[in-house]
Amino acid sequence: AQSVTQLGSHVSVSEGALVLLRCNYSSSVPPYLFWYVQYPNQGLQLLLKYTSAATLVKGINGFEAEFKKSETSFHLTKPSAHMSDAAEYFCAVSKPGANSKLTFGKGITLSVRP
Amino acid sequence: NAGVTQTPKFRVLKTGQSMTLLCAQDMNHEYMYWYRQDPGMGLRLIHYSVGEGTTAKGEVPDGYNVSRLKKQNFLLGLESAAPSQTSVYFCASSYGAGGPPADTQYFGPGTRLTVL
Repeated sequence: AQSVTQLGSHVSVSEGALVLLRCNYSSSVPPYLFWYVQYPNQGLQLLLKYTSAATLVKGINGFEAEFKKSETSFHLTKPSAHMSDAAEYFCAVSKPGANSKLTFGKGITLSVRP
Repeated sequence: NAGVTQTPKFRVLKTGQSMTLLCAQDMNHEYMYWYRQDPGMGLRLIHYSVGEGTTAKGEVPDGYNVSRLKKQNFLLGLESAAPSQTSVYFCASSYGAGGPPADTQYFGPGTRLTVL
């Protein structure tokens, strides 16, 4: 079985500060990993995904994540937070192959202070 | 290209009532999914479909039924609503088998359901 752990439920940063959202996974096979963002009252939107190619993955809106097998982690970062980054962020894992389903973490809310 | 749409956006039901949520996608995707989102629980998969005429159970299927009579539509039914089914429901779709690796799921805007 696969799972994702997102520690904490809320992160608050100042505008311009580094954003770091943590994600650790558990999977019996090399996984695919995803970060999704949910803005208030909207559906989820893909930020980036890891597909076993480059371990450093760049996504939309200046976000990136690094796959670290030794640490079973896929943390999301952005060098400088914008007010518009305030949202809920979900890490998700799937196994490669047909009919593979996503398993989501519980999500973490990012607040950005002016 | 509307992507994934969901009808209705909001609904209030009384315990025991029934309703159907409609999901439609115009991307010719094979796979479709229904999730529920509850505070602190993330998204949990209710049912999914890997093609027209197929359905399968997800993580939390009890109390729900689904149908995929047309490729572009995926219906979620509640036969006898309970307060525990108060949630936000999201539909998603993806290319499925034959699609790109790490297939991206595209989400609808959600349906907020309250059961009194």
